[in-house]
Amino acid sequence: QVQLVQSGAEVKEPGASVKVSCKASGYTFTGHYIHWVRQAPGQGPEWMGWISPNTGGTRYALKFQDRVTTASDTSISTAYMELSRLTSDDTAVYYCARGGQFWSNGNWYWHSFDHWGQGTLVTVSS
Amino acid sequence: QSVLTQPPSASGTPGQRVTISCSGSSFNIGGNTVSWYQQIPGTAPKLLIYSTNQRPSGVPDRFSGSKSGTSASLAISGLQCEEEADYYCATWDGSLNGPVFGGGTKLTVL
Repeated sequence: QVQLVQSGAEVKEPGASVKVSCKASGYTFTGHYIHWVRQAPGQGPEWMGWISPNTGGTRYALKFQDRVTTASDTSISTAYMELSRLTSDDTAVYYCARGGQFWSNGNWYWHSFDHWGQGTLVTVSS
Repeated sequence: QSVLTQPPSASGTPGQRVTISCSGSSFNIGGNTVSWYQQIPGTAPKLLIYSTNQRPSGVPDRFSGSKSGTSASLAISGLQCEEEADYYCATWDGSLNGPVFGGGTKLTVL
């Protein structure tokens, strides 16, 4: 079965960076994009960006474009998300999620987040 | 605030049918399919509906999705106590060039 297992909780000081890992199993890692979604306390989810493990291509939400980096290591089926210049507003649970997709007109298109990691709590506090 | 608008709360009694709405625009719901997620507090969201009205394997057929224009709905029939949770809609937004979510609806089973 598809599983995404994330790294453990982190506590960071303002201005620091955090790196979260997401190890995939149960499917062909290069066959699906990996998305990163965060959820602040009491808020709805917020999409941050994706990476294609097949091509290494990435896309980020405008809000995070200058602070987020995603990467993947196909040899160990693991994706990574690094967020820099942390502030207290970045305190949230960070999820990786597999992109569900459909094929149309010669391209893959996202239609959902069909499997999720368990989440990684990142707390930013001095 | 969220790009997609959902009512903050909904409620129903066991066995009842409830619907949750999700309102957007021509940039998102109007031109793309919708997905729905169930989130029990302290756990990751779980996919309930994709491509507006398709259920992943393992999701009961009591859950159904629909769309009309720039609004979408999730219906739950035969409501069960364990379905008390937060529900979120999501879709692609062509102007933001990425997926967007609703603010969520907290469903209470009375």
